[in-house]
Amino acid sequence: NAGVTQTPKFRILKIGQSMTLQCTQDMNHNYMYWYRQDPGMGLKLIYYSVGAGITDKGEVPNGYNVSRSTTEDFPLRLELAAPSQTSVYFCASKPTGNQPQHFGDGTRLSIL
Amino acid sequence: AQSVAQPEDQVNVAEGNPLTVKCTYSVSGNPYLFWYVQYPNRGLQFLLKYITGDNLVKGSYGFEAEFNKSQTSFHLKKPSALVSDSALYFCAVSLTGTASKLTFGTGTRLQVTL
Repeated sequence: NAGVTQTPKFRILKIGQSMTLQCTQDMNHNYMYWYRQDPGMGLKLIYYSVGAGITDKGEVPNGYNVSRSTTEDFPLRLELAAPSQTSVYFCASKPTGNQPQHFGDGTRLSIL
Repeated sequence: AQSVAQPEDQVNVAEGNPLTVKCTYSVSGNPYLFWYVQYPNRGLQFLLKYITGDNLVKGSYGFEAEFNKSQTSFHLKKPSALVSDSALYFCAVSLTGTASKLTFGTGTRLQVTL
C-alpha cells in the first residue's frame, strides 16, 4: 500500500495565484485532515473530513477550501495565494476508532 | 479548548544514555495522547498512544511514555538513545467525540551525539 500520497512535493506560487494540493489515500480511511506546519509552531489543523461529502473547518481555515467527493481523495484549494500561506502542508488519514493518523510526506509551498 | 506544551525546544543526549522528551496537556475531559516523530523532509510517523488502561505505554523503536493524570503529563522516554533517534518529536492530544482532531505541541528536537 502507498498510504497517504501528496502531490506536488514542492511548488512556488506568485501572490494571487491559485492552486490545488492533492491528497489521496488507499487505506479506505473515513477520516482525512489537512495541516500546515510552520517553524516552531507545530501543526495547525486547516480542514478535516469524517467521510465522503462531509467537511468541516479546523483551527486555521481562512484562505483555503476543501472538497471530499470520494473516500480516497481530499484536495486542498488555495484561491488567492498570499505570502502568509507559505508553509509545509500535510495531509493525514485515519480509520474509525481510536487509531492514529497516518501522514503523507508533505507539500512545501512558497508564495512570492 | 485543548492544548499541549512541549517546554524544551531541543534536548541533547549522548548515545547510550536515557532520554526524556517532556509533554504536558490541558483538556476538558479524558485525553487521547500521541507521540509522533518527524525526520527531515518527511511526514509525521506514529510512535505510540495512550487511550486508556496502563499508564506506561510502549511503542515503536524502543520508545515508551508514561501517562500521569495528576500532573497532566505524557513524557516520552527511551532507556538508551541512538544517534538515529535524532529527529523532531511531537506530542498531540485529542478528545472523544471530536472527530479525532489532534492538537499538537510545538515540537522538540532531539539531538543524540556519539
